[in-house]
Amino acid sequence: NAGVTQTPKFQVLKTGQSMTLQCAQDMNHNSMYWYRQDPGMGLRLIYYSASEGTTDKGEVPNGYNVSRLNKREFSLRLESAAPSQTSVYFCASSDAVNTEAFFGQGTRLTVV
Amino acid sequence: KQEVTQIPAALSVPEGENLVLNCSFTDSAIYNLQWFRQDPGKGLTSLLLIQSSQREQTSGRLNASLDKSSGRSTLYIAASQPGDSATYLCAVKGSQGNLIFGKGTKLSVKP
Repeated sequence: NAGVTQTPKFQVLKTGQSMTLQCAQDMNHNSMYWYRQDPGMGLRLIYYSASEGTTDKGEVPNGYNVSRLNKREFSLRLESAAPSQTSVYFCASSDAVNTEAFFGQGTRLTVV
Repeated sequence: KQEVTQIPAALSVPEGENLVLNCSFTDSAIYNLQWFRQDPGKGLTSLLLIQSSQREQTSGRLNASLDKSSGRSTLYIAASQPGDSATYLCAVKGSQGNLIFGKGTKLSVKP
């Protein structure tokens, strides 16, 4: 089983460029999440989608937008990348509220 | 706002020792608590999930407990091995469906 798949795995952007991080899950999960992980800061929730058709802000939503395209896919968009957005981004999914979450392998993004 | 704290931030033990990792959270209105393992440069691997109505879960040498009323969870690792070296993260799922993480405990098990 593929589980949660993120693309791309690595990306270098110039300041001001835009890009979309893709995430897809094949477990028929309702909820999906985007996190960023920075040294000393742990995993911080950017946005989440509790179910298809809904999205909510997490702890650090500024500078990001999301789209829950369908039940399988949840994308994260950086409209105008900034060096402060250099980070490792993780996507996750879970079924109902009482089931475990599964994570993708991450996207390492560098903004220069 | 839910806050999750993990103590200690780092831990180094000799092989074979039993150890306890701690996780505390400020809002007891949670659906569940999950422990993860993360190896350097890798994604997160789920270890144990404890529902809010449960007190503990066990998997092999791992045992996780939950005291929701006091906002605490512990992860007990028995007979530690060098292969257990990793960062261990706990996360709580809140009533809105969000999943909030602690900053993790970096464990090093010395041969």
